[in-house]
Amino acid sequence: GIQVEQSPPDLILQEGANSTLRCNFSDSVNNLQWFHQNPWGQLINLFYIPSGTKQNGRLSATTVATERYSLLYISSSQTTDSGVYFCAVINQAGTALIFGKGTTLSVSS
Amino acid sequence: DADVTQTPRNRITKTGKRIMLECSQTKGHDRMYWYRQDPGLGLRLIYYSFDVKDINKGEISDGYSVSRQAQAKFSLSLESAIPNQTALYFCATSGGGLGYGYTFGSGTRLTVV
Repeated sequence: GIQVEQSPPDLILQEGANSTLRCNFSDSVNNLQWFHQNPWGQLINLFYIPSGTKQNGRLSATTVATERYSLLYISSSQTTDSGVYFCAVINQAGTALIFGKGTTLSVSS
Repeated sequence: DADVTQTPRNRITKTGKRIMLECSQTKGHDRMYWYRQDPGLGLRLIYYSFDVKDINKGEISDGYSVSRQAQAKFSLSLESAIPNQTALYFCATSGGGLGYGYTFGSGTRLTVV
């Protein structure tokens, strides 16, 4: 089945720094989503981005489907950005999301 | 009210006990899912259902069963809980098709002792 790999696995930042999280996938996809899991465990959908670029405040995402990767940019990071960021793609049967193992981000003040 | 509600939020149970996790959604979507999260492993699919009469196994269905009682309700059962089923469990719903995002519940943290 399709493989989803995220890097780096862990990231530690000072408040105000910028960061880039990467998601590689092993096959062509037509549904890619980024999620943030906050320290309380809640999963929040950040972007639905099968291709192109989207921005939402300090966060933006770019997916280059032909090269099988997506990037999540976080600018001017804040402590509330801490948590785990997941990339997920629809499996080849089109039945469910397949998740990467996540990037754990820690932002300190 | 949350779009996807999971109960209970936390549960500690003993090995061998039967336990049911419940999920209800107000999105009006047909598709519902159960995922399990273990530290460092991301979320893995247990079961999914595309309508009331449709139930499908996911990647890690052994030891679990589900029931789709209505469009809005999808429950997960552990018939005889074991310690390696200790995990965070998520229910989700989606509208189907490639253009629909997923909405997740707040999770149930299950500990089997």
